[in-house]
Amino acid sequence: DTAVSQTPKYLVTQMGNDKSIKCEQNLGHDTMYWYKQDSKKFLKIMFSYNNKELIINETVPNRFSPKSPDKAHLNLHINSLELGDSAVYFCASSQRDHSPLHFGNGTRLTVT
Amino acid sequence: GQQVMQIPQYQHVQEGEDFTTYCNSSTTLSNIQWYKQRPGGHPVFLIQLVKSGEVKKQKRLTFQFGEAKKNSSLHITATQTTDVGTYFCVIGGGADGLTFGKGTHLIIQP
Repeated sequence: DTAVSQTPKYLVTQMGNDKSIKCEQNLGHDTMYWYKQDSKKFLKIMFSYNNKELIINETVPNRFSPKSPDKAHLNLHINSLELGDSAVYFCASSQRDHSPLHFGNGTRLTVT
Repeated sequence: GQQVMQIPQYQHVQEGEDFTTYCNSSTTLSNIQWYKQRPGGHPVFLIQLVKSGEVKKQKRLTFQFGEAKKNSSLHITATQTTDVGTYFCVIGGGADGLTFGKGTHLIIQP
């Protein structure tokens, strides 16, 4: 059973399109995250979210918006995709602050 | 938010040689975590260090947390091809989330 699953695994799309990435965790964790990994493997947090608050990294463009229908899901919606959005996006969850992160397998987004 | 410097960025070793990666922070850390990411994979949690001067071992891996809780290291003894990947130290938590170091890419030549 996959603890943190995200779909799709690969996403190829054109500039200007809108796309979503879905994430689900079955660990019963309180907090979920989105991380972006660039071509140099740098991992940067984009959002953290629990059922109380959404924390947004101020460097994230407002074209990116997380949507959480319930505690087990945190989807990422991206408007007006740009070439620079090409990266691997990882969903993760943790039981609480400072707890280890459990990552999904990642979504490789390619914008052409 | 807090930042952490991780060195080296790349490390080439012959199989069987030892490997060490270091992380340094300008501020005192409450804890530090270490993750490994295999090529094409996702980061996987290895360990968390909390106490000043703490040393933990996992088979050939030794993790240390500095006395001042501002630095940490991961040492691998007698590397094997299965050790290939990127090793990240991770700090922080709370409202800012967990912050990853830039990672050390371990490349092993057989």
